[in-house]
Amino acid sequence: QMQLQESGPGLVKPSQTLSLTCTVSGGSIRSGDYYWSWLRQPPGRGLEWIGFMSYSGGTYNNPSLESRLTISLDTSKNQFSLKLNFVTVADTAVYYCARVKGLSLPNDGFDIWGQGTLVTVSS
Amino acid sequence: VVMTQSPLSLPVTLGQPASISCKSSQSLVHGDGNTYLNWFQQRPGQSPRRLIYKVSNRDSGVPDRFNGSGSASDFTLKISRVEAEDVGLYYCMQGTHWPPYTFGQGTKLEIK
Repeated sequence: QMQLQESGPGLVKPSQTLSLTCTVSGGSIRSGDYYWSWLRQPPGRGLEWIGFMSYSGGTYNNPSLESRLTISLDTSKNQFSLKLNFVTVADTAVYYCARVKGLSLPNDGFDIWGQGTLVTVSS
Repeated sequence: VVMTQSPLSLPVTLGQPASISCKSSQSLVHGDGNTYLNWFQQRPGQSPRRLIYKVSNRDSGVPDRFNGSGSASDFTLKISRVEAEDVGLYYCMQGTHWPPYTFGQGTKLEIK
């Protein structure tokens, strides 16, 4: 069974870059059949999709975040990453990595999730 | 697309049924004939777990007391007999009109 685990700094200063990594175990991110995804959940609030990327290079982002956002894959480490530039306190959230099975668009969404990691934006 | 859930809080007696409504601001029927409406469960302190995809298809390992139904812009998640492990937040999510995927506000199920 594939598992995902987020890692990265828990505290980021305003205007700086938030960087997180998701390590995939029990399967390869080189598989052409998945989108590797990021979502977030501000404290006490609902879920927001950030974006996803496939091994073949297809990348799709939330338009509200696209100008600040980079998602990339590191096949040598079986990881994928999120970088969000120019963060503000509004970016404080639990960040989840997740998997989408199948490359059809639209699709059935997020079938496996990581445990999540809290990132606080504060000076 | 705005997803609106009700109720936002749902106290239920153990063994009794529960029902959560999710309405979308547009029809979720895609041109390919499918309706991309999912339900997720988030137990306290855990990450979300997909229960249902394409309105009514249960994920592997999901108990058959969970049932999704609906069409167009009106959907329902029903739990036939609530158990203690069902406590948590429930979210609907649409994938038809993307980007972006959008979620409902969440419904908090608790035991009376």
